[in-house]
Amino acid sequence: RKEVEQDPGPFNVPEGATVAFNCTYSNSASQSFFWYRQDCRKEPKLLMSVYSSGNEDGRFTAQLNRASQYISLLIRDSKLSDSATYLCVVSTPTGAGNQFYFGTGTSLTVIP
Amino acid sequence: SQTIHQWPATLVQPVGSPLSLECTVEGTSNPNLYWYRQAAGRGLQLLFYSVGIGQISSEVPQNLSASRPQDRQFILSSKKLLLSDSGFYLCARSRGLNTEAFFGQGTRLTVV
Repeated sequence: RKEVEQDPGPFNVPEGATVAFNCTYSNSASQSFFWYRQDCRKEPKLLMSVYSSGNEDGRFTAQLNRASQYISLLIRDSKLSDSATYLCVVSTPTGAGNQFYFGTGTSLTVIP
Repeated sequence: SQTIHQWPATLVQPVGSPLSLECTVEGTSNPNLYWYRQAAGRGLQLLFYSVGIGQISSEVPQNLSASRPQDRQFILSSKKLLLSDSGFYLCARSRGLNTEAFFGQGTRLTVV
């Protein structure tokens, strides 16, 4: 079973739409959770961390449900510049340090 | 600020040739360092991670190796490249458990 699973999409939405991405993780020992954004042929960049209490950054809202091992990202009022691949990431402690496990990403295209 | 440098940005190498990719980190001491590979259209695969000088953990058996000769230097090597080694190689750092990962700009390797 994969550590992190995401719907690969693609999601094609009009400007101004609200879109939601979901992600599940398999290891209950995972401790930290993140959403990253990756533009074509670029490195992933941190979008936001995800907390159990939920957190919001402008048009972006992230939620974590530890009981269900489920993470979500909501994007409101989509902009053309939001077009990218969104990666769900979990950090899990290991015997030495911690490892980051990445989902395969969800592709979003915002259409004019 | 904490920065992470990778070079070269692109590389074309013949099958059977050696490889050495270098990653250096500035602005932080004793970081956790990671090497990931992303094949075309695929997710990030963790190759190696290191929690300190000379400490390397390997995730996937392959013809690649990694070394950490200095606290802020992480090197990915191969003695003989295979066609299947083509991909986007990303170095990442974190400050440890419950902190996010930051990526270098990556090296796009094509083995021909």
